[in-house]
Amino acid sequence: GAGVSQSPSNKVTEKGKDVELRCDPISGHTALYWYRQSLGQGLEFLIYFQGNSAPDKSGLPSDRFSAERTGGSVSTLTIQRTQQEDSAVYLCASSLAVGGLGYGYTFGSGTRLTVV
Amino acid sequence: EDKVVQSPLSLVVHEGDTVTLNCSYEVTNFRSLLWYKQEKKAPTFLFMLTSSGIEKKSGRLSSILDKKELFSILNITATQTGDSAIYLCAVVPSGSARQLTFGSGTQLTVLP
Repeated sequence: GAGVSQSPSNKVTEKGKDVELRCDPISGHTALYWYRQSLGQGLEFLIYFQGNSAPDKSGLPSDRFSAERTGGSVSTLTIQRTQQEDSAVYLCASSLAVGGLGYGYTFGSGTRLTVV
Repeated sequence: EDKVVQSPLSLVVHEGDTVTLNCSYEVTNFRSLLWYKQEKKAPTFLFMLTSSGIEKKSGRLSSILDKKELFSILNITATQTGDSAIYLCAVVPSGSARQLTFGSGTQLTVLP
């Protein structure tokens, strides 16, 4: 697609429920990133996918968080047994593998998750 | 642990004012520094700075990096209400790491 597409744009869920957030990167971008932005905070790195390599999961805050990327394209971030502190905007970005750092990032519009 | 600190956290000015936003960093392996503008939800890229002392300019916005003192500034002259946004600074590491380290941002509000 022309840009990075994320869905849903807003999600309200009850504490304890599981949620799935979707990211559809720019076609041809092999690198995909998930970040989280809590109210008044900067972006916190969660996970990074690069082609067929094993993902860098070093930013995932707990084992309730997981992500997968199917066919090197669409990615799904799953949060199990949601807690109120999971409320945040979840941003996805994609970039070309080579020279894509920073200036090559294109962010999606994010999913605003509210856990009540 | 890499760290990026932005100041001020928030700033309110009137149209026509000039503002300077600050970003300082402590990183193990520095490659470049980035500025983003975030309106609503998606950050949009403004500048990438790699070398000290070379000003990057785009219209009324400009930025410069000081690698000795480990900081960058973003200047906006003749501010307009459309400049109201969160301005994010991020550091790109060298080596194999690919994730950025972001500061908490500066919330700029430009009043008419």
